[in-house]
Amino acid sequence: DGGITQSPKYLFRKEGQNVTLSCEQNLNHDAMYWYRQDPGQGLRLIYYSQIVNDFQKGDIAEGYSVSREKKESFPLTVTSAQKNPTAFYLCASTQRGQGGTGELFFGEGSRLTVL
Amino acid sequence: GEDVEQSLFLSVREGDSSVINCTYTDSSSTYLYWYKQEPGAGLQLLTYIFSNMDMKQDQRLTVLLNKKDKHLSLRIADTQTGDSAIYFCAETRTSGTYKYIFGTGTRLKVLA
Repeated sequence: DGGITQSPKYLFRKEGQNVTLSCEQNLNHDAMYWYRQDPGQGLRLIYYSQIVNDFQKGDIAEGYSVSREKKESFPLTVTSAQKNPTAFYLCASTQRGQGGTGELFFGEGSRLTVL
Repeated sequence: GEDVEQSLFLSVREGDSSVINCTYTDSSSTYLYWYKQEPGAGLQLLTYIFSNMDMKQDQRLTVLLNKKDKHLSLRIADTQTGDSAIYFCAETRTSGTYKYIFGTGTRLKVLA
């Protein structure tokens, strides 16, 4: 079945370590997104990519990095520069245009806890 | 500026109707969405409406759009305990940007 797969589901990190969250989609979507979710704050955009080999900063990009070397993959690295990384991270994708509704499809999320 | 606002909590009794409200600020052509999030999971699309529509109905769900007041609502008829979740409204422009703006989410609690 087509969908978005995020891994790992749960991740624990010591302070000062970088960690990478995986996001893979087999929906053939051009655009991919990373959001951070904290209680009571909704979803905040970290980075997004409209097409392979291109990405843009979202509203809270500081302390995060991404790459988009393949259409189906958009990994997110949480660096040691991110001061408060404990959160729930959501990856999403969509196919804009072509008469569609631009619906975002979401993965099941990755919960990162800094010890 | 761009902002989407929702009330944080709603509690209803099983079998009653739930109405979740959202206000948005972008007056250009947009798609508006309602998503449902269950605990520890991703978001699932419930329904969407284009900004030139007034209403959309899909089984137990009714979406109403008041463009003058930039107000969007989601009505769930015959609310069940399985409807307990967080509901997000979101908007995106149909052109010019790939960004989506999400509300803070409304936590719906259905009492048996």
